[in-house]
Amino acid sequence: GNSVTQMEGPVTLSEEAFLTINCTYTATGYPSLFWYVQYPGEGLQLLLKATKADDKGSNKGFEATYRKETTSFHLEKGSVQVSDSAVYFCALNPGGTSYGKLTFGQGTILTVHP
Amino acid sequence: ETGVTQSPTHLIKTRGQQVTLRCSSQSGHNTVSWYQQALGQGPQFIFQYYREEENGRGNFPPRFSGLQFPNYSSELNVNALELDDSALYLCASSLVAQPGTQYFGPGTRLLVL
Repeated sequence: GNSVTQMEGPVTLSEEAFLTINCTYTATGYPSLFWYVQYPGEGLQLLLKATKADDKGSNKGFEATYRKETTSFHLEKGSVQVSDSAVYFCALNPGGTSYGKLTFGQGTILTVHP
Repeated sequence: ETGVTQSPTHLIKTRGQQVTLRCSSQSGHNTVSWYQQALGQGPQFIFQYYREEENGRGNFPPRFSGLQFPNYSSELNVNALELDDSALYLCASSLVAQPGTQYFGPGTRLLVL
């Protein structure tokens, strides 16, 4: 079946530090990959996506590259801000008959201190 | 543009009872999905509705059921509540052409005692 594994959290960083949150996946076929973010007290929001191998998704300074050879979609940001403190979820959208049924990782809590 | 809304925000029920959660999709979206998010976990797919019919289901028993209405609002019904049903229930709407890009509501927090 499909699955997503994220690095164990929580992650605590100082402002302006470099961020990496690892994500690997297992899927049949050619899934699309996503990062969703959940700010305190809010619903999940799409952060970025990539629909095929070697695509790079980017938004708000965050980037992730779809690596089919390593089945990974690691999230990176060069300089984090306090406002980036949130829970980050990696997810995949399988193709075929499971189209649109997102599979999520367990989430990684990020806390950024001034 | 109105976002996805859910009601109620919080709910307390006892084991064996039934509950109905409601969702109003984002304007123009014709697909709605429901997810269960246990504390400290990622959301798990329950089912999806498109054109008022169930369009796929995750590993949830039949006591989890749903409806989608012509105005694309939706309900999640859970019968015979169990303690493990305590979770945050998320509704997400999308366009059928972009199923992975889902717009989530703030969720309903259900506590089963």
